[in-house]
Amino acid sequence: SQTIHQWPATLVQPVGSPLSLECTVEGTSNPNLYWYRQAAGRGLQLLFYSVGIGQISSEVPQNLSASRPQDRQFILSSKKLLLSDSGFYLCAWSQGLAGAQETQYFGPGTRLLVL
Amino acid sequence: SQQGEEDPQALSIQEGENATMNCSYKTSINNLQWYRQNSGRGLVHLILIRSNEREKHSGRLRVTLDTSKKSSSLLITASRAADTASYFCATDNYGQNFVFGPGTRLSVLP
Repeated sequence: SQTIHQWPATLVQPVGSPLSLECTVEGTSNPNLYWYRQAAGRGLQLLFYSVGIGQISSEVPQNLSASRPQDRQFILSSKKLLLSDSGFYLCAWSQGLAGAQETQYFGPGTRLLVL
Repeated sequence: SQQGEEDPQALSIQEGENATMNCSYKTSINNLQWYRQNSGRGLVHLILIRSNEREKHSGRLRVTLDTSKKSSSLLITASRAADTASYFCATDNYGQNFVFGPGTRLSVLP
């Protein structure tokens, strides 16, 4: 069966510090991968998605970046965090057609607090 | 602009009652999905309904889709305390990526 992992679960970082969040998927190959951010009590905002190694599409311009160094690994990074980067970051994967054609499966999330 | 918006924003009911949540969207879609999120956790997929379907059932869940009104509803029958969560609809825009609404926070009181 497929599983998706995210770490760390919780992170507290000072403003201006770098960020690296990792997401890995097991039990599937060639998944579509997604990074979402959720502000407290709000819906999800799609940040990045990837349909293959090295292929990254950005939905929202910001100081975040994403990379996919391996088929089942998706990394969210920042060189300098802003206060507004605080939130709940969710990684998800889907199979088949990218986008909303298929079900997305979400990881447990990383709660980031920037102080 | 936001594609899917849930209504109401918050709903509080007694255990055993039915809960109905609505989702409205703006542009044509291929499919619409409902997800549940327990507090501080990831989202869990509930049901996918395609644009040529009008109703789908899964256990105590019933989803309807009215493409003429650009709306969908999620009905949870005989609610339980464990149904307490936020519920989101997600719509595509003919193959483009999901847009999630702000969600409905459901509280089921014992």
